[in-house]
Amino acid sequence: GQNIDQPTEMTATEGAIVQINCTYQTSGFNGLFWYQQHAGEAPTFLSYNVLDGLEEKGRFSSFLSRSKGYSYLLLKELQMKDSASYLCAVRDSNYQLIWGAGTKLIIKP
Amino acid sequence: ETGVTQTPRHLVMGMTNKKSLKCEQHLGHNAMYWYKQSAKKPLELMFVYNFKEQTENNSVPSRFSPECPNSSHLFLHLHTLQPEDSALYLCASSQDESGGGNEQFFGPGTRLTVL
Repeated sequence: GQNIDQPTEMTATEGAIVQINCTYQTSGFNGLFWYQQHAGEAPTFLSYNVLDGLEEKGRFSSFLSRSKGYSYLLLKELQMKDSASYLCAVRDSNYQLIWGAGTKLIIKP
Repeated sequence: ETGVTQTPRHLVMGMTNKKSLKCEQHLGHNAMYWYKQSAKKPLELMFVYNFKEQTENNSVPSRFSPECPNSSHLFLHLHTLQPEDSALYLCASSQDESGGGNEQFFGPGTRLTVL
């Protein structure tokens, strides 16, 4: 079966750095997405990786290793507004998105 | 503002009721999706429409019936639901279904409670 694993919950301190990991086992691979979802709101797109390596976008970076079936989202200079759930999703060989259950990130002052 | 709107935002219905959820996208996209989001579970893809044609029905019970009259509008008709159908129902759109980096844009969702 297809599976996306990410930690259920993480806690970090304002101003610090946090890394949220995602491992996947899917039938084929056509890219990996990270989304942010604040409580009671719609998921919003953060990043897309299809080739190995690091994609940097401001305070957020996303890394992919296709051989290891592994990605991480790195958040720097954490702010209170970064408290949210972070969803990892992989597009499989049928171009369907397979979603992880999300990582709830709690930022403490 | 994501360009995808959903109504109603909240819905409470009995198991014998019939109701409909509406989604509209203002992004000129050709693919639209219905997802179910339950607490602490992955998003569950329910239906996909690409250029108004249904391309995916992910083994969804027949008490959920989608309708896509055009590329901008998507409906989810509900009837004789069960309490376990209570969840957040999210609509999303993308440029098309299979484009490589096409991210999906989500609406705010309808919080459905079935009594």
